[in-house]
Amino acid sequence: SQQGEEDPQALSIQEGENATMNCSYKTSINNLQWYRQNSGRGLVHLILIRSNEREKHSGRLRVTLDTSKKSSSLLITASRAADTASYFCATPSGGSYIPTFGRGTSLIVHP
Amino acid sequence: DAGVIQSPRHEVTEMGQEVTLRCKPISGHDYLFWYRQTMMRGLELLIYFNNNVPIDDSGMPEDRFSAKMPNASFSTLKIQPSEPRDSAVYFCASSSSRADTQYFGPGTRLTVL
Repeated sequence: SQQGEEDPQALSIQEGENATMNCSYKTSINNLQWYRQNSGRGLVHLILIRSNEREKHSGRLRVTLDTSKKSSSLLITASRAADTASYFCATPSGGSYIPTFGRGTSLIVHP
Repeated sequence: DAGVIQSPRHEVTEMGQEVTLRCKPISGHDYLFWYRQTMMRGLELLIYFNNNVPIDDSGMPEDRFSAKMPNASFSTLKIQPSEPRDSAVYFCASSSSRADTQYFGPGTRLTVL
């Protein structure tokens, strides 16, 4: 069963704008990960945030985690056409600690 | 490191045929995962191995699916007999621990006619 769910399912923006995607999950976690998938390719890990962290940055990416609301957000600043991809959050499911993936947010950045 | 290697990249077969997908994980990674991705169901975990031992195969859809990991550098996912509903992209991923970053291969796009 899916632990995390991304919102929105699809997002279309212009180059230079910021893109925000959200992930909600159901049970307590020790970490949450975000991945990107370009069309026809495998998933690529972007960032991991642990439960004791509230915010993490990597280049133009900013991830926040609110464990009280069981939610996370991924912000891509100054988006580029190359950011066009699907973005997935992954959270450990049950006692196995194996990350399970949501359905993803499809982001289109128009040049 | 070359990353996770999967072969073939594309496979087209006819219903009833046996299909074997192959994966070479990143050297030193103790965990190997097989996923299936479809538009309808998203990314599903089929099975994962730790130190070559299958740990959880509850995601394997039917007995037609089987997976093996004879050594630390090779795994196979076999479908016998294949059916059109098995058409999907199959990914292999590896990681150094069960809860941390997974490194995905490029996937095998399977089409069963």
